[in-house]
Amino acid sequence: GENVEQHPSTLSVQEGDSAVIKCTYSDSASNYFPWYKQELGKRPQLIIDIRSNVGEKKDQRIAVTLNKTAKHFSLHITETQPEDSAVYFCAAGGEGKLIFGQGTELSVKP
Amino acid sequence: ETGVTQTPRHLVMGMTNKKSLKCEQHLGHNAMYWYKQSAKKPLELMFVYSLEERVENNSVPSRFSPECPNSSHLFLHLHTLQPEDSALYLCASSQDFSGSVQFFGPGTRLTVL
Repeated sequence: GENVEQHPSTLSVQEGDSAVIKCTYSDSASNYFPWYKQELGKRPQLIIDIRSNVGEKKDQRIAVTLNKTAKHFSLHITETQPEDSAVYFCAAGGEGKLIFGQGTELSVKP
Repeated sequence: ETGVTQTPRHLVMGMTNKKSLKCEQHLGHNAMYWYKQSAKKPLELMFVYSLEERVENNSVPSRFSPECPNSSHLFLHLHTLQPEDSALYLCASSQDFSGSVQFFGPGTRLTVL
């Protein structure tokens, strides 16, 4: 069945360092790849998304890259801050159906 | 945030109870979703409604029954649940069913005793 693998499951970085989270997907028909941030006790919130006609997208300290041939996409956070600490979910899909990855718990230590 | 709201925020119920979760979106969206979020597991899509018609049902047990009376409201009716159904139930909405950004509600934390 359709599947999204996300790694690592936990990630600890020092404030100011970069963090990279990677996802692979199985459904080659996927054309929409959002990333969500979920702080403890709060709802998932979209932080950035990319569509299959784009290879890279950047928004301030956050960037996402997509390799459709290899069926993987990554989230890059630069100059991390303690408030970046949260669980990050990738997702892949289209036609309304999103398959989510298992989540990455990011901890940014001051 | 008031875009997508859910009630109640917390619910404790016994296995023989019947309860309902409510979701309301104020964004003018045409698609609504129910997800289950369990600890250490990815978000699991349960149901999708587009223009008030169910378009996806991911083999969810019949003890979960969705209802979408209009494009702004979505319910999840619960009956004879099991302890393993304890989880955070998240509602989401999107402009349409085709590759649109999904906005999530705050969730209902459900505990089944």
